[in-house]
Amino acid sequence: SQQGEEDPQALSIQEGENATMNCSYKTSINNLQWYRQNSGRGLVHLILIRSNEREKHSGRLRVTLDTSKKSSSLLITASRAADTASYFCAWTGNQFYFGTGTSLTVIP
Amino acid sequence: GAVVSQHPSWVICKSGTSVKIECRSLDFQATTMFWYRQFPKQSLMLMATSNEGSKATYEQGVEKDKFLINHASLTLSTLTVTSAHPEDSSFYICSAPTRDSYEQYFGPGTRLTVT
Repeated sequence: SQQGEEDPQALSIQEGENATMNCSYKTSINNLQWYRQNSGRGLVHLILIRSNEREKHSGRLRVTLDTSKKSSSLLITASRAADTASYFCAWTGNQFYFGTGTSLTVIP
Repeated sequence: GAVVSQHPSWVICKSGTSVKIECRSLDFQATTMFWYRQFPKQSLMLMATSNEGSKATYEQGVEKDKFLINHASLTLSTLTVTSAHPEDSSFYICSAPTRDSYEQYFGPGTRLTVT
């Protein structure tokens, strides 16, 4: 399987805390992306980091990429209850692959 | 940004019947669309790549005669689940890539329940 791993599978934090999710992938990549999915809904693109980049910021999101370790992390700072969702990493190699996902619960 | 729609958003059908799900790109043309299946609390699994004007490409383990894909135009791809069984109950999501193919625009998904 080309599917990557994400950890933790589930994460529960208090509002205002930071949330960190990690993604491990298996293939060489052109870029890596993070998506958010609210329960029973489609996916929303959050951020893309190219294979020659190491870190990228977008608002409260910070993404890192380590191609030598084939891993990426997503940090959500100052979390809000509305951030409660599942988060998936995805990458393009010779096709589009998804990680296993992290379910984040932010407790108000 | 680009929008991808799906219809219906949810459907309930009886075992043995067929169900058609539509995926439309609303403000851009998509020569390629992707169909995914997602079981509860799991990630998305690519089922097939829909190609406008040619046959779809199916992932290993996906029955092409059961999941019929037709990419009729540059803005429409359809997935027909034939002879549906309860185990086909799932969340089906389509997507279309951006022009540089680096990002995907996802449809809102279709919840299929087979009774």
